[in-house]
Amino acid sequence: NAGVTQTPKFRILKIGQSMTLQCAQDMNHNYMYWYRQDPGMGLKLIYYSVGAGITDKGEVPNGYNVSRSTTEDFPLRLELAAPSQTSVYFCASSLLPIRGPKETQYFGPGTRLLVL
Amino acid sequence: KNEVEQSPQNLTAQEGEFITINCSYSVGISALHWLQQHPGGGIVSLFMLSSGKKKHGRLIATINIQEKHSSLHITASHPRDSAVYICAVDPSNFGNEKLTFGTGTRLTIIP
Repeated sequence: NAGVTQTPKFRILKIGQSMTLQCAQDMNHNYMYWYRQDPGMGLKLIYYSVGAGITDKGEVPNGYNVSRSTTEDFPLRLELAAPSQTSVYFCASSLLPIRGPKETQYFGPGTRLLVL
Repeated sequence: KNEVEQSPQNLTAQEGEFITINCSYSVGISALHWLQQHPGGGIVSLFMLSSGKKKHGRLIATINIQEKHSSLHITASHPRDSAVYICAVDPSNFGNEKLTFGTGTRLTIIP
């Protein structure tokens, strides 16, 4: 299994441009998450999904959109890039809710985004 | 608001030393997670615990729910343990997936 894959690894965007960060998992996990990690800060949840067709906002959803048309894919869309969106973005997945007795999240390698 | 504090922020130790990283949080939780972020950026879940103690190889995680405190211990530390260790808590609220993350402890093990 490839686990959780993310593309691209690195991208530079100009202010106002749009892009989609791709995330895919081949573990048949129901739950998928998008986090951002800013320097010196803890990971912050942007959006999550509990299954195909179901998404919900996390702690910092403004400026982002998501969709979950299949179990495998969970793309994150930035519509009008702003310098505040410069960050490292991590996608993660889990089979069951993270509050389950044994559940852990599996993380992708991250996408480094620079908005200039 | 749930705050998660980790200490120390940075830790440098010699190979073989016993390492302790601490995590304190401010509200009731249902579980606490420890994660490891490698120097290349990849993140791996190490433990999820809601009470007591868990052990995996040279890593031991403990939690004291009453004191709102958890520790991650590494025995016989090795340079490959050099990483950022992140604590995250799952609040007691029902029905959401929103972990609160600490800012991490950067561990460097010198050969």
